[in-house]
Amino acid sequence: DAGVIQSPRHEVTEMGQEVTLRCKPISGHDYLFWYRQTMMRGLELLIYFNNNVPIDDSGMPEDRFSAKMPNASFSTLKIQPSEPRDSAVYFCASSLGTSPAGELFFGEGSRLTVL
Amino acid sequence: AQTVTQSQPEMSVQEAETVTLSCTYDTSESDYYLFWYKQPPSRQMILVIRQEAYKQQNATENRFSVNFQKAAKSFSLKISDSQLGDAAMYFCASNSGYALNFGKGTSLLVTP
Repeated sequence: DAGVIQSPRHEVTEMGQEVTLRCKPISGHDYLFWYRQTMMRGLELLIYFNNNVPIDDSGMPEDRFSAKMPNASFSTLKIQPSEPRDSAVYFCASSLGTSPAGELFFGEGSRLTVL
Repeated sequence: AQTVTQSQPEMSVQEAETVTLSCTYDTSESDYYLFWYKQPPSRQMILVIRQEAYKQQNATENRFSVNFQKAAKSFSLKISDSQLGDAAMYFCASNSGYALNFGKGTSLLVTP
């Protein structure tokens, strides 16, 4: 089975532009997570979904960030307008929610650079 | 608030030697789980080992083992017989419901 698939792998954009990051979770997984990784802050949870419904978005930095999960096999994280401080690696992860001990499977991340 | 603290930004170990990475945590969960994840240069996070807090026995996965001290809220990772492929960032994490809170990571260098 394919793992979590994220696109794009790298994105370079200019300040003020809209950025859309995409994620395809592992088939059958009912939890999906978006994390952001920076040197200063480490790995931060932005938002997570259960059965396509957002459960906790308290980590979303501000209104410029939005995430959707229109179906069980696709999620997007959008930043509009983007700013240089949004530069980071964004990870998507999915898990099978049989137990909180369940393993999170991560994608390879999308490295975003905002100039 | 849930916090996970890794006090060692960098560690170094010689090949075939043993190294211990430290982690302390604070959680409001009554029944919780602790994890170590590895992030190699390829960036993809990989689960190394997990511990269920209600289990007193320390988890072991081949060369990887943990020292779980519940009262001290300490969860260290021991890597035995270190290999060059163990070089990576290592993240300690605790769960908050089904999500994970991560520490800032420890960069492990393995020297020949």
